[in-house]
Amino acid sequence: DTEVTQTPKHLVMGMTNKKSLKCEQHMGHRAMYWYKQKAKKPPELMFVYSYEKLSINESVPSRFSPECPNSSLLNLHLHALQPEDSALYLCASSQELAGFTDTQYFGPGTRLTVL
Amino acid sequence: GQQLNQSPQSMFIQEGEDVSMNCTSSSIFNTWLWYKQDPGEGPVLLIALYKAGELTSNGRLTAQFGITRKDSFLNISASIPSDVGIYFCAGASGNTGKLIFGQGTTLQVKP
Repeated sequence: DTEVTQTPKHLVMGMTNKKSLKCEQHMGHRAMYWYKQKAKKPPELMFVYSYEKLSINESVPSRFSPECPNSSLLNLHLHALQPEDSALYLCASSQELAGFTDTQYFGPGTRLTVL
Repeated sequence: GQQLNQSPQSMFIQEGEDVSMNCTSSSIFNTWLWYKQDPGEGPVLLIALYKAGELTSNGRLTAQFGITRKDSFLNISASIPSDVGIYFCAGASGNTGKLIFGQGTTLQVKP
């Protein structure tokens, strides 16, 4: 099973709202990722977690706050977003970070619209 | 920084035709991955390549890891309408988990 699940599928929020995106995998993977994707563009890396610790923050604005409560779950907390933050947010996981173990499996994404 | 050049940018073909797309880089990669993405969905892994010169098939799909480790190609044989989508190549070279993505090839298949 190579399934990564994400909730919600769609989210509409105002610029003053606080919301969270959730991601879950039960493949025993120890690396998890958040990406942002605009239409017809490749995914852009936001955050990498390895063994539940933040490994990479690609200079993402503080209005995006990641959290990894355990090895199966990854959250992205959203606050005071801007309309330009509207995008497809993708979660991915891999066994680990290197070599044969770095193959990433993506979830279906959350379509976020900021009004 | 590292970049991947993916070509062609788009293809419009007749059902039953074969398709070929490729990615090239000035940098060496240790892993090459090929994904397909349908509108509004996440990328789905098609083929993973881990060794220079490796040739791997997955049904009608065949991909190769270039011998120089700087390129990879994906072939689709006997295309069908459900092959429509955006195909991305991605390369990894370190122990950071970072993937470098190509810009994608948009495939349209005419029945």
